[in-house]
Formats: sequence, C-alpha cells, structure tokens
Amino acid sequence: GENVEQHPSTLSVQEGDSAVIKCTYSDSASNYFPWYKQELGKRPQLIIDIRSNVGEKKDQRIAVTLNKTAKHFSLHITETQPEDSAVYFCAASKRAGRRALTFGSGTRLQVQP
Amino acid sequence: DAGVIQSPRHEVTEMGQEVTLRCKPISGHDYLFWYRQTMMRGLELLIYFNNNVPIDDSGMPEDRFSAKMPNASFSTLKIQPSEPRDSAVYFCASSFSGRDTEAFFGQGTRLTVV
Repeated sequence: GENVEQHPSTLSVQEGDSAVIKCTYSDSASNYFPWYKQELGKRPQLIIDIRSNVGEKKDQRIAVTLNKTAKHFSLHITETQPEDSAVYFCAASKRAGRRALTFGSGTRLQVQP
Repeated sequence: DAGVIQSPRHEVTEMGQEVTLRCKPISGHDYLFWYRQTMMRGLELLIYFNNNVPIDDSGMPEDRFSAKMPNASFSTLKIQPSEPRDSAVYFCASSFSGRDTEAFFGQGTRLTVV
C-alpha cells in the first residue's frame, strides 16, 4: 500500500518568514495530493490540493509543488502569520474523492510573532 | 449544508462497554470514510463506503470494531468491547465522486476508555 513520509515534524519560524514542509510517497499510481491544516481540537481542513497532471499550484500565500519522478511534493507558505500556527498534514490517494487518503505524520508549525 | 455531522462529540466509557459513534455525511456525497487519530499512529483509515457498501475495511484493527451504513445519510462505528487503547479521536469524512471533490471531515468524536 501507499506510504507517505513527512518532514519536518516541527517547524518554528518568525512571522513574515517562509515555511516549507516536504512529503514523499511510495505508490507511483497516486495522483491526488491534498494538504490539510488542523488547529488544536479541530477537524482537518483542506487548504490546497494538487493533481498529478500539474507541477505547481498557488493560492495566495500558499503553494504546492509536485515532482512525480522523484515522488515528492511540498507545501510552501510565504509571509507567515501567527494564525498559520497549526499542524499540517500531507496526504496521497489514487483518485480524489473516490479513494481513502494516506496521511503523513504531520508537521507542527509555530509562527512566532 | 451543515457539513459532516458526528455524534457524540465526546464519549467517556469504561473498559468492556460497547461504544457507538455516529456520522451523517453531506447530502449527495457517495463516499464515506472513518479515520482514527492518535498521537502514536497519526491519522489512519479504518473503513470506507461507496453508495452505502463497504469497499475497504482492511484498516479496522480488530473484530471488536464494526461499521455499518444502512442508508445514504447515516453511518455507525461500533466498538465492542472497548479497551483503553481505543482512546482516540474518530473522524468521519465524506466526498462526492461526481466532481472528484476533496473529502470533508466532521468535527470528530473524542473517545476516552477508562
């Protein structure tokens, strides 16, 4: 089955700096890669996703890149703000909406004001 | 739409008791997923349904766990008998295959088995 590894497990940055979280996956058949943000005591919420036919996607301060050959994808947050502090999970599946997600282990991001 | 609705939000039970968690997916969604979240194992899939039919239950840890989806608007996850190691947050999620949308998560049920 699919295996998703995520690094780093914790990340502390100063407000205004950029943050990068990286994930690798094992199953070359995976073609959907969402990123979820989870605040303490809350549900995971999708912040951005990318499909395998696209190499990069951007939404305001958030961007995701995908390298299918190397089987890795990354989340980039620019101009970080204290409200970006949360746990971020990457995930992979073979078909958006139709397949269960395999999650990475999570990255706790702390943005220092 | 109110989103995916789970009940109860919190459950504290004694070891050996039966526990039933409930989920109402978003109307029109044809996939339903049950996930468990713990510090040690992270977010892991337990089982998922398509059009009320279980598709993959390989993540169900033991026979003590069972899940049903009697209709398109309701699913249950039952643990019988419960054990302290079952303590976790259980999330239900749903998605719509017609537009390949993402999975939307419920608020979760925090289960504590003492």
